[in-house]
Amino acid sequence: KQEVTQIPAALSVPEGENLVLNCSFTDSAIYNLQWFRQDPGKGLTSLLLIQSSQREQTSGRLNASLDKSSGRSTLYIAASQPGDSATYLCAVTSSGNTPLVFGKGTRLSVIA
Amino acid sequence: DAGVIQSPRHEVTEMGQEVTLRCKPISGHDYLFWYRQTMMRGLELLIYFNNNVPIDDSGMPEDRFSAKMPNASFSTLKIQPSEPRDSAVYFCASRGQGMGPQHFGDGTRLSIL
Repeated sequence: KQEVTQIPAALSVPEGENLVLNCSFTDSAIYNLQWFRQDPGKGLTSLLLIQSSQREQTSGRLNASLDKSSGRSTLYIAASQPGDSATYLCAVTSSGNTPLVFGKGTRLSVIA
Repeated sequence: DAGVIQSPRHEVTEMGQEVTLRCKPISGHDYLFWYRQTMMRGLELLIYFNNNVPIDDSGMPEDRFSAKMPNASFSTLKIQPSEPRDSAVYFCASRGQGMGPQHFGDGTRLSIL
């Protein structure tokens, strides 16, 4: 059974810092991996999707990498801003027809 | 462009009452997912549909929970009778064919007293 772990559970950094969020999964036979952002009282917003054949995806200040063989992904946020404060969730799926399995998220606070 | 729409946003009711949560997926999306989120267990899949047909309901906690998708633009999740341990945020999400991202609604915050 696939399990997704995110470390740390919470992180607080000063504005302007570059930071890395970690995600690991137990079964490396994944189809794709997604990073989501969740603001308090809101649903999840998809940030980046990496197919299993890809090594990384970039969107603005965000860069997500995937190392399937070691069961790891990282989300890199450059020049963090207070508006980046949210919970970030990682999720994987093992095939085109199976649903996502989510980690419990990392709660990020960027202090001005 | 409308996203996934859930109603109600908040529901407070007494134990034993029937609760119905509603979801309108994004038009043209073939997959619809119902999730429950709690502090202890995180985000858990309850059930998902493909082309209005339930594919996997193994995450539905017990017979008190039921879900339907009578057409491509509407789904319900029903709890009868409700219990305090059902208190959580319930999310609906939809996705098109292929493996694009899932799109989530803003959730229903359910409190059972």
